[in-house]
Amino acid sequence: AQSVTQPDIHITVSEGASLELRCNYSYGATPYLFWYVQSPGQGLQLLLKYFSGDTLVQGIKGFEAEFKRSQSSFNLRKPSVHWSDAAEYFCAVDPILTGGGNKLTFGTGTQLKVEL
Amino acid sequence: DAGVIQSPRHEVTEMGQEVTLRCKPISGHNSLFWYRQTMMRGLELLIYFNNNVPIDDSGMPEDRFSAKMPNASFSTLKIQPSEPRDSAVYFCASSLGTSGGVGANVLTFGAGSRLTVL
Repeated sequence: AQSVTQPDIHITVSEGASLELRCNYSYGATPYLFWYVQSPGQGLQLLLKYFSGDTLVQGIKGFEAEFKRSQSSFNLRKPSVHWSDAAEYFCAVDPILTGGGNKLTFGTGTQLKVEL
Repeated sequence: DAGVIQSPRHEVTEMGQEVTLRCKPISGHNSLFWYRQTMMRGLELLIYFNNNVPIDDSGMPEDRFSAKMPNASFSTLKIQPSEPRDSAVYFCASSLGTSGGVGANVLTFGAGSRLTVL
């Protein structure tokens, strides 16, 4: 079955430390891949996306993600975390269905806590 | 650009009452989506529209839920009658959809409507 997995429900890092959030997908072909961030009481904001081409993509707020086809992964990274990065992060995939529409499927999310 | 606008932001109602959530997508966006977010089930796609036409409503939980998009700038999600298990945050999102090419597969979300059914 098609799925998106974020294995880490909660992650705590110290401010200034590096961060990696994991995302794995299970689809027949390479889908479009996204990372969104949700701050408390807010909607989801797009951090970055991968459609094709360079497998390392840059996003907003200093985030980047690397697509690894062999591992069916799209992990999110940041070299130095800031306290304001505390939020919930969602990986999402679009299986690129024919007939139109962007039917995103979201992972269960990873809650990031930043210790000062 | 005001983004995707949802109303109300918060709704508290009693079981059995009708609830209507509203969404104004970004102007020029041709696709509109309704998602529901709960602690237990995460983010679930309820229904999406392309050019005001419902394309896939397989995520709508049951007949108590209905969604309409009478024009390109307005959509509603209605629950009648509401039940406590409908308590959730409901998000509307829009995208350029099929008219925007590959780069259009990006959803912009509204701030959500938090529904509490007592």
